[in-house]
Amino acid sequence: QKEVEQDPGPLSVPEGAIVSLNCTYSNSAFQYFMWYRQYSRKGPELLMYTYSSGNKEDGRFTAQVDKSSKYISLFIRDSQPSDSATYLCAMNRDDKIIFGKGTRLHILP
Amino acid sequence: DAGVIQSPRHEVTEMGQEVTLRCKPISGHNSLFWYRQTMMRGLELLIYFNNNVPIDDSGMPEDRFSAKMPNASFSTLKIQPSEPRDSAVYFCASSLQGARNTIYFGEGSWLTVV
Repeated sequence: QKEVEQDPGPLSVPEGAIVSLNCTYSNSAFQYFMWYRQYSRKGPELLMYTYSSGNKEDGRFTAQVDKSSKYISLFIRDSQPSDSATYLCAMNRDDKIIFGKGTRLHILP
Repeated sequence: DAGVIQSPRHEVTEMGQEVTLRCKPISGHNSLFWYRQTMMRGLELLIYFNNNVPIDDSGMPEDRFSAKMPNASFSTLKIQPSEPRDSAVYFCASSLQGARNTIYFGEGSWLTVV
């Protein structure tokens, strides 16, 4: 079983919809949970960062962590075409970051 | 502010040739990471340095790969000899004090080995 599992998509949703992106993980030693956004032909950039169970909100983005279920989510409200990108979940263990493979998201205008 | 700078952005080389990828981290950052990204395997950590010292190279696939960081502002990833299965995007990233702080990625070096 991989340490971090993420559905690669692609996921296509109409503009304005709520998007839900998810990852599961197997190692309870993970301490920090992150979401990175990667535009085509660019490097990943940090979008959200959290270290505890519960929700963290930043504008249209909400990161949710459920440590008991080993499940993390990213919600995007009022999705925009500019949100079209690959979203990678990431988790920190022993000062190393382990990435999911990423979910490709297309927001249809 | 200058971000992480990588060169070359694109490289096409023949199997068996030596490839050298270069990275300049963000000034003041003391941790540097090399990642490889492919469709099949996603983003994989190859090696990371702290204060110019290699801390974990367990992700380096085999002896054909080597990485150096001679000073705080420069690192190289070398593949010798290159093989078609090395075709991937190689990212360099840097941070202040390891992976518990935000790591900043460069735009990647797109390598094709034919």
